[in-house]
Amino acid sequence: QSVLTQPPSASGAPGQRVTVSCSGSSSNIGSHSVSWYQQLPGTAPQLLVYGDNQRPSGVPDRFSGSKSGTSASLAISGLQPEHEADYYCAAWDDNLNVVVFGGGTKLTVL
Amino acid sequence: EVQLVESGGTLVQPGGSLRLSCAASGFTFRSYWMSWIRQAPGKGLEWVANVKRDGSEKYYVDSVRGRFTISRDNAKNSLSLQLNSLRAEDTAVYYCARSPGLSGYDRFDYWGQGTLVTVSS
Repeated sequence: QSVLTQPPSASGAPGQRVTVSCSGSSSNIGSHSVSWYQQLPGTAPQLLVYGDNQRPSGVPDRFSGSKSGTSASLAISGLQPEHEADYYCAAWDDNLNVVVFGGGTKLTVL
Repeated sequence: EVQLVESGGTLVQPGGSLRLSCAASGFTFRSYWMSWIRQAPGKGLEWVANVKRDGSEKYYVDSVRGRFTISRDNAKNSLSLQLNSLRAEDTAVYYCARSPGLSGYDRFDYWGQGTLVTVSS
């Protein structure tokens, strides 16, 4: 059971917009910034969003992050087949003194 | 180009030991916190440990504290993880990852390709 809760799966048709949620608590998301990672099949994770809503250089603006209270979201617009991947949120947790990850959301492009 | 290349993963018996290495290149290694993050087969990501830029601070997840030791050699641009008293539940792909910024935990901007550790008799 992960400290950060994500839906195990999400889906959308090509061109649609999909949102992945990440729910935490005051000791993690409520106090610290959230980062998001994309893991394509058989590869290492890649940073998509950090600081709740900042994109590293090279990450297209179709990926956007937001946060409100103890929950965060990753939105992907203009869905494409190459976006099929697992998506993870992460944040520091003050109670556990570790970085905690969500359980991951498997995104399927229909 | 930033590169992180892990090595050392193998099959090891329960109770055994192993040392993982991560060779860094393409950036000023001593300027970054470094972490080990693992992923059990078919499972999600789990942060394992990190080490401050100069090696003066180290942090571990409870499940490995006392069994694993993270270290770095800034002269050799190298990160290591010593794994002792290995258990079946330590079976995972182990990634090394870089953290920019002061905190060492707000993001992991580069990851290696991972090295597989299998603990089984």
